[in-house]
Amino acid sequence: SQKIEQNSEALNIQEGKTATLTCNYTNYSPAYLQWYRQDPGRGPVFLLLIRENEKEKRKERLKVTFDTTLKQSLFHITASQPADSATYLCALASNFGNEKLTFGTGTRLTIIP
Amino acid sequence: DTGVSQNPRHKITKRGQNVTFRCDPISEHNRLYWYRQTLGQGPEFLTYFQNEAQLEKSRLLSDRFSAERPKGSFSTLEIQRTEQGDSAMYLCASRATGASGANVLTFGAGSRLTVL
Repeated sequence: SQKIEQNSEALNIQEGKTATLTCNYTNYSPAYLQWYRQDPGRGPVFLLLIRENEKEKRKERLKVTFDTTLKQSLFHITASQPADSATYLCALASNFGNEKLTFGTGTRLTIIP
Repeated sequence: DTGVSQNPRHKITKRGQNVTFRCDPISEHNRLYWYRQTLGQGPEFLTYFQNEAQLEKSRLLSDRFSAERPKGSFSTLEIQRTEQGDSAMYLCASRATGASGANVLTFGAGSRLTVL
């Protein structure tokens, strides 16, 4: 069956370091992958999208990689700050016509001052 | 406020009661989605609308659930005869149909349902 796994439920990182979150999927051939941020009691907020034919995408301190051979995406936050503390969700879509996003369970990131 | 608005934010009800949630999407967005999120899990797709047409429903959406978007603007999600397993955050999202086709969603803050 299709499965999306995000590494560790919780990740603690020292302020200023790079936080790396992992999203692995099985039995899936996504056309693109997205990362969202979710704060407690709020809805997810879109951060980045990467397509299957792209290896890397950057936005300010954020970087996403996508390896369709390993079936894995890595999400990096460089120079992490306490304000980056949140739950980060990856989401997949099988093709560009598919309206249904499948989300992972999320990784709760805490940046320690 | 130009974001996605959901009401009520919190609802506590007794088992067996009916509840209704409302979602007001971003005005120029013709696609509207409902997702459900339980504690410690990611959002799960329930259904989506293009304008007033409901085009896809998940198997998660049992007969007790009904969603409408009568005029292609706001949407309601009704749960009849609520059960304790319905306790969750109900998230609404919207997007415009863009050239890229990628499903990048703008979510509301959600409506949290607690069934006692």
